[in-house]
Amino acid sequence: DTGVSQNPRHKITKRGQNVTFRCDPISEHNRLYWYRQTLGQGPEFLTYFQNEAQLEKSRLLSDRFSAERPKGSFSTLEIQRTEQGDSAMYLCASSQEGRHTEAFFGQGTRLTVV
Amino acid sequence: GDSVTQMEGPVTLSEEACLTINCTYTATGYPSLFWYVQYPGEGLQLLLKATKADDKGSNKGFEATYRKETTSFHLEKGSVQVSDSAVYFCALRGSSGNTPLVFGKGTRLSVIA
Repeated sequence: DTGVSQNPRHKITKRGQNVTFRCDPISEHNRLYWYRQTLGQGPEFLTYFQNEAQLEKSRLLSDRFSAERPKGSFSTLEIQRTEQGDSAMYLCASSQEGRHTEAFFGQGTRLTVV
Repeated sequence: GDSVTQMEGPVTLSEEACLTINCTYTATGYPSLFWYVQYPGEGLQLLLKATKADDKGSNKGFEATYRKETTSFHLEKGSVQVSDSAVYFCALRGSSGNTPLVFGKGTRLSVIA
């Protein structure tokens, strides 16, 4: 296992289009997280899954955002009707369950909305 | 809710200088504390962690001690190298363990030869 994998690495889209990102976590990890990072800021939590159940969603996650993890393995994050303010790095992370466990991050998908 | 506050950067140091990056947190109970590092062009990676009060995490010459009384987890290194140039993020996971990591805004470190 080579770690958390995210695709695509870069995405440029026109305002109003829909985009979908994929994350493949470390195989034995049952938790999967999505974060958003803008320039000069730390990662901001969007949502997380334990197996296939979506356990928590941030207020940052507007109705235009949806995430799935259908079989408890890979996950997708879809943004509908993209806006320029959606331009950011979208990070995926995975971890084992437990309060002391660290999260392992992918390299992110950089979204640019023009 | 839980939060993390880091000193603002950028921090510029000469090689072999001492480094301290301050981090304080607000959380109930006993969170787990982490430092992550992001090298240019790479993803976030764990640098060190501490899971209970007075624990010291260490890795690659970096250290941080979990101070409950001051709610702090400052990152230190005695002698920095050019290769330490990166952005450093302090983070916490709440006591329940059922919450995601909460990050500070990050501190950019530049080390010059």
